[in-house]
Amino acid sequence: QQQVKQSPQSLIVQKGGISIINCAYENTAFDYFPWYQQFPGKGPALLIAIRPDVSEKKEGRFTISFNKSAKQFSLHIMDSQPGDSATYFCAASSGTASKLTFGTGTRLQVTL
Amino acid sequence: DAGVIQSPRHEVTEMGQEVTLRCKPISGHNSLFWYRQTMMRGLELLIYFNNNVPIDDSGMPEDRFSAKMPNASFSTLKIQPSEPRDSAVYFCASSHKPHFGTGLLGGYGYTFGSGTRLTVV
Repeated sequence: QQQVKQSPQSLIVQKGGISIINCAYENTAFDYFPWYQQFPGKGPALLIAIRPDVSEKKEGRFTISFNKSAKQFSLHIMDSQPGDSATYFCAASSGTASKLTFGTGTRLQVTL
Repeated sequence: DAGVIQSPRHEVTEMGQEVTLRCKPISGHNSLFWYRQTMMRGLELLIYFNNNVPIDDSGMPEDRFSAKMPNASFSTLKIQPSEPRDSAVYFCASSHKPHFGTGLLGGYGYTFGSGTRLTVV
């Protein structure tokens, strides 16, 4: 059972544009929502995370928007750069367990 | 901090052979996870340990897969016998449980290793 649905599967954005990746979850017990960034040949690396007590979190060019009632959250990459080209995974976990459930990933390509 | 260390980086083996993947978590991390990544299925959690004890192995695909964590600094994932459909990248990750709200993330941040690319021919 897929508990975190991620879209789109792939995304092409021009340099300087905004990249938006969306995720939806089903389990209302989830209370921690991180995003991971993975470059080819590397393991995923933690990028930014949010808890449901806030609706938005920003770190540099990366912003998570969270809609608890809709059970959706999204990653926005402002002023996208070619170096942002990677695969992005959303994930979720609940306070009662330390394991993360990952989305299926979005391959982002930022073109010049 | 050397991060999570996995070995080997690449493994090519013949169908039917035993394969052992190794992982050294970050010192002080009390949770360890084994994931498998394929194009078709994405990141799948195979098994995870808390304080060296297996907590959830429901993701282990079948009895051919086994995992151990004999101490806090070492874990293995074994496939015996291996099959071509086991070909994937296997990741180990470790994490700790920080106090809520401390640090930038205040959550169960995983640190992944660089993975083992397994090819079974």
